[in-house]
Amino acid sequence: QKEVEQDPGPLSVPEGAIVSLNCTYSNSAFQYFMWYRQYSRKGPELLMYTYSSGNKEDGRFTAQVDKSSKYISLFIRDSQPSDSATYLCAMKVGAQKLVFGQGTRLTINP
Amino acid sequence: NAGVTQTPKFQVLKTGQSMTLQCAQDMNHEYMSWYRQDPGMGLRLIHYSVGAGITDQGEVPNGYNVSRSTTEDFPLRLLSAAPSQTSVYFCASSYSFPIPGNTIYFGEGSWLTVV
Repeated sequence: QKEVEQDPGPLSVPEGAIVSLNCTYSNSAFQYFMWYRQYSRKGPELLMYTYSSGNKEDGRFTAQVDKSSKYISLFIRDSQPSDSATYLCAMKVGAQKLVFGQGTRLTINP
Repeated sequence: NAGVTQTPKFQVLKTGQSMTLQCAQDMNHEYMSWYRQDPGMGLRLIHYSVGAGITDQGEVPNGYNVSRSTTEDFPLRLLSAAPSQTSVYFCASSYSFPIPGNTIYFGEGSWLTVV
């Protein structure tokens, strides 16, 4: 069983829709939770991070963590075609290691 | 604004050949790492380094060697390429180990095909 599970999609939604991306994890030792965005043929870039249960907002993006359920989510409001990318969740365990989900490929249709 | 630079961008190897993927960063980062990205598998850590002269294994180290003789460079060596090593390789760096607040910067990736 993978430590982090993420639905690979693909997910296709119309412009302006609210997008929900999710990951589940099995290791209670995970401390920090991150979302990366990866455009085609590019390296991942950090979008948001959080380390506690609850919500964190940044513009149109909201990261949500539920440690009791081992479940994290990323919500995108008023989605734009420029949001089309692969979104990867990542979690830190120990001092040095990041564990990534498989990534969800998202397409926003104009 | 070089950031993390990886070379080559694309490479085709024959089974059994060896090669080195180069990675350099100009941000004076201590922490550097190599990941491979395969369909349905996400990013998996191969090797990492917390500073010059210090390296350690990640999740999938077999078939790869690394060294860190300078802060700037962290090459990844494939000793005897196998088709299972066909993948996209990403080098990453950050000022310290990857906690939030220390942004991890990824290179553009190196596409490797082993035939």
